[in-house]
Amino acid sequence: QVQLQQWGARLLKPSETLSLICTVHDESFTSYQWTWIRQPPGTGLQWIGEVYHGAGARYSPSLQSRVTISMDTSSNQFSLRLRSVTDADTAVYYCARGRYCSGNRCNVRDFDYWGQGALVTVSS
Amino acid sequence: SSELTQDPAVSVALGQTVRITCQGDSLRNYYTSWFQQKPGQAPLLVNFGKNNRPSGIPGRFSGSSSGNTASLTITGAQAEDEADYYCYSRDRSEKGVFGGGTKLTVL
Repeated sequence: QVQLQQWGARLLKPSETLSLICTVHDESFTSYQWTWIRQPPGTGLQWIGEVYHGAGARYSPSLQSRVTISMDTSSNQFSLRLRSVTDADTAVYYCARGRYCSGNRCNVRDFDYWGQGALVTVSS
Repeated sequence: SSELTQDPAVSVALGQTVRITCQGDSLRNYYTSWFQQKPGQAPLLVNFGKNNRPSGIPGRFSGSSSGNTASLTITGAQAEDEADYYCYSRDRSEKGVFGGGTKLTVL
């Protein structure tokens, strides 16, 4: 059974770096796109970015200058780092499994498995 | 434009049919996925691609697309379908984008 478990600090001060890790229990870890999504309180979902073993990472244009998503195939983990956080970065952060890919061809089944979500609060 | 536009709120009488729509230029070229989210829970994939449902999703959830508009139709809405619904697709740069969400009320 596929499982995603999230870890990381939940309370940050402005200007600090948000760091979250998602541990994936999935035998096909290197065959999927792995994604971070966030949801500010009371609002909608925002795609942060994704990483795939065969193609590197892609990021939301609005966050691109501050975000890094990477993956460690030896430990089946992928991570999110968001630098210089502000109050506007307060949100529930989710990790999720994206599309299955073979080389540069991917299916269209998005986010069928999610982490439990982590509320990250930025406050001085 | 990379935006996806959804109506903020829609209501449906119990047992009736409701269509939730999502509009965006990129939908002419990319498939749409639909997610259901209930309070305090992670989103749940209910439809993707060319009207595909993950295992366990009832058949009353169907997806369709025409031009720049994608739709999720719930045929015979049940009380447990009351939730927020989000569409998701790709923009021309192959980056992900969500719609703003639609709050569905079942009367």
